[in-house]
Amino acid sequence: QKEVEQDPGPLSVPEGAIVSLNCTYSNSAFQYFMWYRQYSRKGPELLMYTYSSGNKEDGRFTAQVDKSSKYISLFIRDSQPSDSATYLCAFLNYGGSQGNLIFGKGTKLSVKP
Amino acid sequence: EAQVTQNPRYLITVTGKKLTVTCSQNMNHEYMSWYRQDPGLGLRQIYYSMNVEVTDKGDVPEGYKVSRKEKRNFPLILESPSPNQTSLYFCASGRKSNQPQHFGDGTRLSIL
Repeated sequence: QKEVEQDPGPLSVPEGAIVSLNCTYSNSAFQYFMWYRQYSRKGPELLMYTYSSGNKEDGRFTAQVDKSSKYISLFIRDSQPSDSATYLCAFLNYGGSQGNLIFGKGTKLSVKP
Repeated sequence: EAQVTQNPRYLITVTGKKLTVTCSQNMNHEYMSWYRQDPGLGLRQIYYSMNVEVTDKGDVPEGYKVSRKEKRNFPLILESPSPNQTSLYFCASGRKSNQPQHFGDGTRLSIL
């Protein structure tokens, strides 16, 4: 079983749609959960960071963590063409002594005007 | 502006010719790391540094060296580059190892 699974897409939605992006993981030691956005020819940009189960909201973005199911989601409301990018889930072990982020392979999102 | 700066952004070179990719951060972060990103493999950590003069191997360290003489700088050194090191490289920094990391815009290396 892979440590992190993320559907690579591509995912194409019309402007204004609600987008749901998901990752599953197998490592129970993961305690920090992140979503990064990566535009073409740019580095990953941190969108959301949480270390507990439940929901965290920031503007149009909501991150959801379900530790019991080992499943995390990112919801984007009222999606915009500027949201077109690759979205990467990322995880850190408890303690994070190495600080080694474990990334999903990324989901490529396209929001059409 | 808080940022991680990498140079060069693009480099084409030949096998065996030593090269250095520089990385500098202006956020006074203790933790810095290098990743490479390859199609189908995603982002993988090469080396990391918990603080000045403290460095350690990540998941794919073979063929790379690093140093951390100052808090803000963390250069990646390829002493004898080979074609399998052709990749997109990212430097990242964070306040601590268990805090989110902020990434530079990447260096695309092509080793012929």
